[in-house]
Parts: sequence; C-alpha cells; structure tokens
Amino acid sequence: SQTIHQWPATLVQPVGSPLSLECTVEGTSNPNLYWYRQAAGRGLQLLFYSVGIGQISSEVPQNLSASRPQDRQFILSSKKLLLSDSGFYLCAWSVGTPNRPQHFGDGTRLSIL
Amino acid sequence: AQTVTQSQPEMSVQEAETVTLSCTYDTSENNYYLFWYKQPPSRQMILVIRQEAYKQQNATENRFSVNFQKAAKSFSLKISDSQLGDTAMYFCAFILDSNYQLIWGAGTKLIIKP
Repeated sequence: SQTIHQWPATLVQPVGSPLSLECTVEGTSNPNLYWYRQAAGRGLQLLFYSVGIGQISSEVPQNLSASRPQDRQFILSSKKLLLSDSGFYLCAWSVGTPNRPQHFGDGTRLSIL
Repeated sequence: AQTVTQSQPEMSVQEAETVTLSCTYDTSENNYYLFWYKQPPSRQMILVIRQEAYKQQNATENRFSVNFQKAAKSFSLKISDSQLGDTAMYFCAFILDSNYQLIWGAGTKLIIKP
C-alpha cells in the first residue's frame, strides 16, 4: 500500500533562516506531488505541484521554492523565512489524472520567531 | 473565478444523530469533481467522499453520503449515526477536470457530543 512521510512534524525557526521540508511517498511510481499551506482555521492553499521529476508548477508567488530531485521525493525550501511563512504545511500525492483523490501527509507545524 | 463556500463555521450534534454540512461552489466549467475531506484534531487530512459532476447518482461511503445538486451548485454532506470520532473540521473542495489545483472551502468545525 502507498504511504507518505513528511518531516519534521514541528519546526521553530528564526526570521531570516533557511527552510527545508521533505516529503517522500512509498508504494507508487510517478505520483503527482503537492505542497499546501493551511492558515489557522482555514482551508488549504496550493503552493506547488509536480507531475514528474524536475517539473514544478508554482501557484502562489512567494519566497518559497520546491524541488523534486527523485520520483517520490518533494522538497519545500526557503532561503530566508518571513514571519508570514508561519503555518501548517501539508504534502500530498495522487496518481493519474488531476481529478483523482489526493492523499495527505501528517503535516509540519512551522513557527517563525 | 472558482470558489467554494461553506456557510456553517461550526456545528454540534449529539452522538447517533444525523447531521448535514452544506457546501456551495461556483464555476462556469462543466467537467469537475467534488470532494469532502475531514481533518481531525490530529491534523491529518483524510478523504471522506468523492463525486464526479457528470454522475447524477449521489456518492455514498458507509455512513457518509452527499446530496449533489449540479444546477444549484450545491454539494452537501450527510453523516448518519454520528460517532464521537467524527469530530473534525470538514472541508469541501472541487477540481476541474483539466487542472491540478483543488479549490477549498474554509471548513466547518463539527463537534459530536456524547
């Protein structure tokens, strides 16, 4: 069966520091991968998605970036974090066409001090 | 622009009761898919049910069913025989057939009381 791993679960970072959140999927090949951010009490905002290695689509301009160095690995990065980057970050995967259900990791709670 | 509206920020019902969560959406497209996800306090987002817009038959998954009214652009979720474990935030979302972006509502907080 397919599983998704996302880490770390919680992260506290100072303003201006770099960021690296990692997500890996097991049990499937060539998944579609997604990074979302969820503000407190709100729905999800799609940040990036990828349909293949090296293919990244950005939905929201910001100081974050994403990379997909391997088929089942998706990384969210920043060179300098802002206070506004605080939030709950979720990684998700799906297979096939875009209308297939997305399956989510456990999320990372990011706090910027 | 595509939008999803969940008009009930919070609801609470007694255990074993039936509860209906409302969702309306707006799109000018004809081919799309609708979803309900739940997010319990553990924060993991879990798929509850999926509906293809081209299907008139309402989707069901055990105690969960939807009332899909395409003309009214309404997609409500009914939970029968509610259980304490159903306590969660419930999000309605839809995606166009040719797009990778899920459009999300703001969510409804559902509390099941013992």
